[in-house]
Amino acid sequence: EAGVTQSPRYAVLQEGQAVSFWCDPISGHDTLYWYQQPRDQGPQLLVYFRDEAVIDNSQLPSDRFSAVRPKGTNSTLKIQSAKQGDTATYLCASSPGFNERLFFGHGTKLSVL
Amino acid sequence: QQKVQQSPESLTVSEGAMASLNCTFSDGTSDNFRWYRQHSGKGLEMLVSIFSDGEKEEGRFTAHLNRASLHVSLHIREPQPSDSAVYLCAVLNNYAQGLTFGLGTRVSVFP
Repeated sequence: EAGVTQSPRYAVLQEGQAVSFWCDPISGHDTLYWYQQPRDQGPQLLVYFRDEAVIDNSQLPSDRFSAVRPKGTNSTLKIQSAKQGDTATYLCASSPGFNERLFFGHGTKLSVL
Repeated sequence: QQKVQQSPESLTVSEGAMASLNCTFSDGTSDNFRWYRQHSGKGLEMLVSIFSDGEKEEGRFTAHLNRASLHVSLHIREPQPSDSAVYLCAVLNNYAQGLTFGLGTRVSVFP
């Protein structure tokens, strides 16, 4: 069974640039999560979906971050006008149901210079 | 808001010796506590998920939960160099959805 796939693995930006991260969850998993993990910290939930619907995006900086999952499968997280404080690893996870076991991708490591 | 703290920050153990990690949380109403492992540059791998006070064993990993003490621990039996990683404690939030993670304990196992 294929795991959660994320791309790209790494991204390096200048402040003010935009970037998109892509996530392909495990087939059949209806719940998809995006976490932000700054260096030497635990992951922090940004947003999660059940199918195509956003269930909780209260921790997503809405002025610059957006996330979609239009067909309830793949998802894209976008940062407009990146800041140095956005430097972190962005982890995608999926689960077969809400709060069931989460399966994580390898993450996208973002550096904003 | 749930707060999760882990100790120690880092731990060095010899291969074969028991490794013990601690996690305290602020809200004891949560009903699920999980331990994850993260090798450098990799995603998170769940090791143990525990719902009730007491002990839950998964292979060489054993979690002990004491809700009254707001404490959950992880014990690694016969650790191997391949167990060297960051270990993260996570608490499921009943009301706010999703997991709250601690900062992690970096474990190094030497032969």
